[in-house]
Amino acid sequence: NAGVTQTPKFQVLKTGQSMTLQCAQDMNHNSMYWYRQDPGMGLRLIYYSASEGTTDKGEVPNGYNVSRLNKREFSLRLESAAPSQTSVYFCASSVGGATDTQYFGPGTRLTVL
Amino acid sequence: AQSVAQPEDQVNVAEGNPLTVKCTYSVSGNPYLFWYVQYPNRGLQFLLKYITGDNLVKGSYGFEAEFNKSQTSFHLKKPSALVSDSALYFCAVRDIQQGNNRLAFGKGNQVVVIP
Repeated sequence: NAGVTQTPKFQVLKTGQSMTLQCAQDMNHNSMYWYRQDPGMGLRLIYYSASEGTTDKGEVPNGYNVSRLNKREFSLRLESAAPSQTSVYFCASSVGGATDTQYFGPGTRLTVL
Repeated sequence: AQSVAQPEDQVNVAEGNPLTVKCTYSVSGNPYLFWYVQYPNRGLQFLLKYITGDNLVKGSYGFEAEFNKSQTSFHLKKPSALVSDSALYFCAVRDIQQGNNRLAFGKGNQVVVIP
């Protein structure tokens, strides 16, 4: 049982390049989330998927797109990376109820030059 | 909208002394409250949560938190800190009346336990 896995662990991009961050969970969770973590700002929600086939914007969605490929996988795409997107990105998953706990992956550290 | 405040950037405590990490919240309805811990270069790990019932919640690694509705607080506590407790701690809140599962996180508190 690996929990939530993310690839890659590290990535360096040049401004304007695109990339996709991958996330998968093996806990049969319904809901999945993408956050970014910046120093002094805590975690901010980018997009989430309450269930397979649905996605919704979070607090900071601009410059990102997501795909809920199936129940296990939820990817985050940067179409044209900008230095402001330099951050640590975390994927999380949860069962999907109001009282449930979110479980986090190890993160992807992204630098945009 | 729901929000969380963690007023201190860093908490320094001597090993063996009590540890307290402060959190206050703002919601329009009743809150669900969570504490997470992040060790260096790792993802967030769940510590404990308050949903309803007893205001004192016990969690992992000897941590506990007390829900205080009148003060809108949910402070994290540990009676005797260990050097291994040095980490970044996040408080988070979900507003029941929002009708979604979104969590609002605080900015985090760095805890440094001094040997």
